[in-house]
Amino acid sequence: GNSVTQMEGPVTLSEEAFLTINCTYTATGYPSLFWYVQYPGEGLQLLLKATKADDKGSNKGFEATYRKETTSFHLEKGSVQVSDSAVYFCALSPDNYGQNFVFGPGTRLSVLP
Amino acid sequence: KAGVTQTPRYLIKTRGQQVTLSCSPISGHRSVSWYQQTPGQGLQFLFEYFSETQRNKGNFPGRFSGRQFSNSRSEMNVSTLELGDSALYLCASSLGGLSLLNEQFFGPGTRLTVL
Repeated sequence: GNSVTQMEGPVTLSEEAFLTINCTYTATGYPSLFWYVQYPGEGLQLLLKATKADDKGSNKGFEATYRKETTSFHLEKGSVQVSDSAVYFCALSPDNYGQNFVFGPGTRLSVLP
Repeated sequence: KAGVTQTPRYLIKTRGQQVTLSCSPISGHRSVSWYQQTPGQGLQFLFEYFSETQRNKGNFPGRFSGRQFSNSRSEMNVSTLELGDSALYLCASSLGGLSLLNEQFFGPGTRLTVL
């Protein structure tokens, strides 16, 4: 079956620190991969995506590269800000026909000033 | 452009009752998906509707059902509520064509508490 595994949180960093949130997946076929972010009291927002192997998604200083050989899609940011404090979800879409995404458990990030 | 709206935002029910949640997608979006979010199980896909037809279904019992209307608004129904149904129910809409370029936009959710 399809599944997504993320590093356990919470992750606490100081402002301007480097961020990595690990994500690995199991899927049949050729999934597309996503990172969603959920700020306190809000719904999920798409952060970035990659639809095929070696694609790099990027947005707001965040990056993730689709690595088929290691089945990974790790999220990175060079310098986090307090406003990046949120819960981050790695997700996959197993096919091109629907929106039946499979989400990881989420990683809570707290950035301290 | 208005975002995805969900009503009600909060709901308290007792075991055995049934509940209906509503989702209004972004104008022009034809696909609506529903997810259940709980601390223990995380985000789990319930079902997706596209043009009034269920296109995908997750692994939930038949007590969970949904429908979509001609204006793309969707409702989700849970019958014979159980304590374990307490969760945040999220609705997401997208254009719905056969392309992953169709980003999902999520609503703020309906928080259901079953007593």
